[in-house]
Amino acid sequence: EAQVTQNPRYLITVTGKKLTVTCSQNMNHEYMSWYRQDPGLGLRQIYYSMNVEVTDKGDVPEGYKVSRKEKRNFPLILESPSPNQTSLYFCASTPGGFNYGYTFGSGTRLTVV
Amino acid sequence: AQTVTQSQPEMSVQEAETVTLSCTYDTSENNYYLFWYKQPPSRQMILVIRQEAYKQQNATENRFSVNFQKAAKSFSLKISDSQLGDTAMYFCAFIPYNNNDMRFGAGTRLTVKP
Repeated sequence: EAQVTQNPRYLITVTGKKLTVTCSQNMNHEYMSWYRQDPGLGLRQIYYSMNVEVTDKGDVPEGYKVSRKEKRNFPLILESPSPNQTSLYFCASTPGGFNYGYTFGSGTRLTVV
Repeated sequence: AQTVTQSQPEMSVQEAETVTLSCTYDTSENNYYLFWYKQPPSRQMILVIRQEAYKQQNATENRFSVNFQKAAKSFSLKISDSQLGDTAMYFCAFIPYNNNDMRFGAGTRLTVKP
């Protein structure tokens, strides 16, 4: 089944403890993105990647890192999480050409206390 | 910068009736794509319908159709014969032709009542 797989689905952590949210797609898509969803704000792009080893900042990149060492994987790293990073996170991918729209993972609910 | 506005935070409709969700956007681009995504309580993001700006014909997918008014920068979603399973958050989204930045509206929470 073609899909984007995100893990974990839920995560509660403490301020300052490094964490990684994994994302993997099995569709050979070139483009991958991370979004965060907050009430009243919709989804905002954190980082995106156009291909292996090519990443760039989105609208809200502060406090996040990403890497794209393989085409299928695009992990999101929070080096020192803070409470304002409590949010619902989505990984998404799309083949070349944006007319297809993005395929989204099932989301990660992150709480930083 | 492109922005997407959904002016209806919440809406409700009776089962089997028709409802229209509004979306406007602001852009200086001429070529772009527009989307409606559905997010049910499971929180999965599901693509409902897409529209290419250079096509004048409005997109249709079964009970879902759009009213695309390019000059007015408006992209509304009409749901006909509403079903209980249509209860969800709906997001309007925009992406320019040569850009990776898909921008979303704040969402409209739709409740279908039995």
